[in-house]
Amino acid sequence: ETGVTQTPRHLVMGMTNKKSLKCEQHLGHNAMYWYKQSAKKPLELMFVYSLEERVENNSVPSRFSPECPNSSHLFLHLHTLQPEDSALYLCASSVATYSGEQYFGPGTRLTVT
Amino acid sequence: GIQVEQSPPDLILQEGANSTLRCNFSDSVNNLQWFHQNPWGQLINLFYIPSGTKQNGRLSATTVATERYSLLYISSSQTTDSGVYFCAVPGTQGGSEKLVFGKGTKLTVNP
Repeated sequence: ETGVTQTPRHLVMGMTNKKSLKCEQHLGHNAMYWYKQSAKKPLELMFVYSLEERVENNSVPSRFSPECPNSSHLFLHLHTLQPEDSALYLCASSVATYSGEQYFGPGTRLTVT
Repeated sequence: GIQVEQSPPDLILQEGANSTLRCNFSDSVNNLQWFHQNPWGQLINLFYIPSGTKQNGRLSATTVATERYSLLYISSSQTTDSGVYFCAVPGTQGGSEKLVFGKGTKLTVNP
């Protein structure tokens, strides 16, 4: 695997389910990011991690819970989501926080029913 | 916070045509990225270009940092070039430091 990978690519979940999104970067980067892209809206930055420490949390509801166990892996734990949370969730990484190019994974398209 | 504006918002071309996409930003920046978002949603890095000109095949980009704009040129367009093109710069928005994206240019290339 190269670059940034995300699993699953598609996810359908009910409002009472708990699921997790996984991101892995193979670039040796120290910063990782979660973004949300809703239909007809710009990308929204959700969380930023630098060397496994959260450095940014942009007023994201607590039903989204990030986890960064090491600098290569990032998770987004989901529980009791709402239909308006249906969106494309993108993971990205860069050498350091906001330094250098950001590389994006293919995304997880989430549908909440 | 920094503002990023892209034009045009929509562009329809016939295969083989050339096009120029523009990105204006409101403050000085130390880097700028161009991305292509394909129909499946993936953001593909095109250029990392704080200043000057770079070329990659049929695509090239020029950033004039002193005048706060960047241009993306697509020559001999192909149907696979369809998608949304974003530029993004690091800056502060809403009190937070982040990579600030423009709203994108949606390109449709017809056969």
